[in-house]
Amino acid sequence: AQTVTQSQPEMSVQEAETVTLSCTYDTSESNYYLFWYKQPPSRQMILVIRQEAYKQQNATENRFSVNFQKAAKSFSLKISDSQLGDTAMYFCASSTRSGGGADGLTFGKGTHLIIQP
Amino acid sequence: SAVISQKPSRDICQRGTSLTIQCQVDSQVTMMFWYRQQPGQSLTLIATANQGSEATYESGFVIDKFPISRPNLTFSTLTVSNMSPEDSSIYLCSVRGSTDTQYFGPGTRLTVL
Repeated sequence: AQTVTQSQPEMSVQEAETVTLSCTYDTSESNYYLFWYKQPPSRQMILVIRQEAYKQQNATENRFSVNFQKAAKSFSLKISDSQLGDTAMYFCASSTRSGGGADGLTFGKGTHLIIQP
Repeated sequence: SAVISQKPSRDICQRGTSLTIQCQVDSQVTMMFWYRQQPGQSLTLIATANQGSEATYESGFVIDKFPISRPNLTFSTLTVSNMSPEDSSIYLCSVRGSTDTQYFGPGTRLTVL
């Protein structure tokens, strides 16, 4: 079984600042994926970034990057030059990869990120 | 990524009744998933729906309460049966894309009175 832990229920930063959201996970599998999803008030789940566990290089997507520390089972999300539109719930999630592909996602409790003008 | 729609987007139901939620994808996908998001909570996987086979349920979820159909590669339904106020949640379907990433529908907000 997998577990995902997000220890920051809420964070607030000023616009244009950099913010880092923490996530730790636990799994006994060797082949797995890690994700960050964003859920704005519209409740739509939006993929932010994806990391394959076997890749050592940290994933990046424009202003979003991760710090993947496999030995420590840590997967933090860094948002640079934060914007008002980044205000949302952010969920860290993991899935294992079985023979047919990735399985269902296990989510953390989420971090409510507020970007102040 | 796939375009996913859900119907209804929201509903208010009486306890003891059932509601069927539809999930439609604009392309063929092998794996579809159903999640529940209780008020103020994170998402929890209910079941995995693979076309042509019975759905696989997670611990704490049973077929009698949440029957799932998967008649083809673009469609699935989740029924919430014999509803109680504790079933008030957002129900989301997702599909697994070619890179093993899951993409989500817009969700169905269910309120049970």
